[in-house]
Amino acid sequence: DAMVIQNPRYQVTQFGKPVTLSCSQTLNHNVMYWYQQKSSQAPKLLFHYYDKDFNNEADTPDNFQSRRPNTSFCFLDIRSPGLGDAAMYLCATSRGEGIIEPQHFGDGTRLSIL
Amino acid sequence: GQNIDQPTEMTATEGAIVQINCTYQTSGFNGLFWYQQHAGEAPTFLSYNVLDGLEEKGRFSSFLSRSKGYSYLLLKELQMKDSASYLCAVRAGSSGGSYIPTFGRGTSLIVHP
Repeated sequence: DAMVIQNPRYQVTQFGKPVTLSCSQTLNHNVMYWYQQKSSQAPKLLFHYYDKDFNNEADTPDNFQSRRPNTSFCFLDIRSPGLGDAAMYLCATSRGEGIIEPQHFGDGTRLSIL
Repeated sequence: GQNIDQPTEMTATEGAIVQINCTYQTSGFNGLFWYQQHAGEAPTFLSYNVLDGLEEKGRFSSFLSRSKGYSYLLLKELQMKDSASYLCAVRAGSSGGSYIPTFGRGTSLIVHP
């Protein structure tokens, strides 16, 4: 059974049209992460939540926002997508600090910009 | 910040053994993870090391030397389905107290008959 679920798997949007990607988890993990991955590149951390505490990476563009209304759900909002935002977006979870264990990834959402 | 280096691409023959290296520079090291990622799919966990030495999990083994900032992933009895990208991720402490993994760009392994 899928434990980290991302919807949709494929998303197409228009240049400049806001888009929201969603992630849900059944693991009750404290930490949720959003990564952006472009072809043949490392997953790049955009931000993460530890419970309700939001942590933004210094180089994450202002165009990217996130919401975590409860433990199970986390959203990635792209306010005005540009062509350079076309990528795979990966959501991951983990139990939190002090616990050395792997992250659990969703299947990702591949975003295309027209 | 962290600096993680892996070879971009490797090729190997079905049935052979391949070693994928990862070097890193970081402070507050707290673990190193290896993930497999097939094209268009999410990373899946393979192995991790916290202490120096070799961890074996079936056909996959991972080695760590913290003093050298070095790890490798060893894949034995290669199968065609092992053709994928292999990501090295280093976990280190941050000023906020949380441990966030940073990924290398991955090594694309091509297994041929």
